Amino acid sequence: GNSVTQMEGPVTLSEEAFLTINCTYTATGYPSLFWYVQYPGEGLQLLLKATKADDKGSNKGFEATYRKETTSFHLEKGSVQVSDSAVYFCALSDPGGSEKLVFGKGTKLTVNP
Amino acid sequence: DAGVIQSPRHEVTEMGQEVTLRCKPISGHNSLFWYRQTMMRGLELLIYFNNNVPIDDSGMPEDRFSAKMPNASFSTLKIQPSEPRDSAVYFCASSLKGVNTEAFFGQGTRLTVV
Repeated sequence: GNSVTQMEGPVTLSEEAFLTINCTYTATGYPSLFWYVQYPGEGLQLLLKATKADDKGSNKGFEATYRKETTSFHLEKGSVQVSDSAVYFCALSDPGGSEKLVFGKGTKLTVNP
Repeated sequence: DAGVIQSPRHEVTEMGQEVTLRCKPISGHNSLFWYRQTMMRGLELLIYFNNNVPIDDSGMPEDRFSAKMPNASFSTLKIQPSEPRDSAVYFCASSLKGVNTEAFFGQGTRLTVV
């Protein structure tokens, strides 16, 4: 079945550090890939997405590139801020065309000033 | 639009009691999802509806759980009887059916069963 594996947290960084959160997936067919972010006490919000191989999604300084050859969609940001502290979820959509999302377990990021 | 609205935000109940969680999707969205989030299992899809019809309920843990969507603007998730292991945050999300569309999440209901 479809699945998403992302790096275990928690991740703790200092402000302005470089961030990478690894995400790999298993799917039959060609899913779309997403990163969602969850701030404390809130629901999930879409951060960025990519719908086909070699697409790069970007938003708020975050980027991720859909790599079919390595089945990966790693999240990166060049300089994190305290306000980026949150839980980040990698997800894929059902390649069969439904809207079902399969999520990774989430990675908690804490950025210290 | 106010986004996906869930109620209540917090619910504490005793084991054995019936619990009903409510969701109002974004107007115009025709797909609705119920997810459960726990530390141990992460985010799990329980059930999803398209045009008010349940499409996939394979994630519903057992018969104690039931979900309905009587119209396009309202859905409920009911647990009867509730058990301590049902304690979790329950999220409702909605989207507009189409390939690669974004799901919008509510703020969740934190359920504690004591």
